[in-house]
Amino acid sequence: AQTVTQSQPEMSVQEAETVTLSCTYDTSENNYYLFWYKQPPSRQMILVIRQEAYKQQNATENRFSVNFQKAAKSFSLKISDSQLGDTAMYFCAFPSYGGATNKLIFGTGTLLAVQP
Amino acid sequence: NAGVMQNPRHLVRRRGQEARLRCSPMKGHSHVYWYRQLPEEGLKFMVYLQKENIIDESGMPKERFSAEFPKEGPSILRIQQVVRGDSAAYFCASSLGPPTIPSYEQYFGPGTRLTVT
Repeated sequence: AQTVTQSQPEMSVQEAETVTLSCTYDTSENNYYLFWYKQPPSRQMILVIRQEAYKQQNATENRFSVNFQKAAKSFSLKISDSQLGDTAMYFCAFPSYGGATNKLIFGTGTLLAVQP
Repeated sequence: NAGVMQNPRHLVRRRGQEARLRCSPMKGHSHVYWYRQLPEEGLKFMVYLQKENIIDESGMPKERFSAEFPKEGPSILRIQQVVRGDSAAYFCASSLGPPTIPSYEQYFGPGTRLTVT
């Protein structure tokens, strides 16, 4: 079975500092995508960044980057220069392949609080 | 291009009533997913539909829940005879392409928060 694990229920970081959120997953697939979603207090799900497993290079989107280690099945999110607006719940997600659907499997989330 | 629309944003129902949640996918998207988020939990897949077809309903409770995506109009998630345990946020996501191409990401709507009293 494909699973996604986020072991940090809550984290806190000072404004302008850097924080890393961890995520591990389990799959027997070789080519796949991984996603980080942000859910602010408005509860809207916002795609932050995605990684393609067949690419060696870690994905980067402005202040957000990932550390993807395929062999270890690890997919952590690094937020640099944290801002107050980064305060949100962050979910790691992985498409469940096989069959006729790519339903997303979500981790349990990490609640990030950015302190002024 | 408007994003995924869901309405209502908040819905209050008494136990035993019916709840109807609507989702309009992004323009040009014909693939719709419904997810449920219970309090303090991540999102859980419920059902995947294409126009007029249910493709995968493996995450949907067997009783009281149904979904449709007609040729015209929004996708509807229907919950009959609601119970307190149905209180949750229900998210709809749409995708441009078929799930056989995993690069087609899912775009989420703002969700409907259902409260059963």
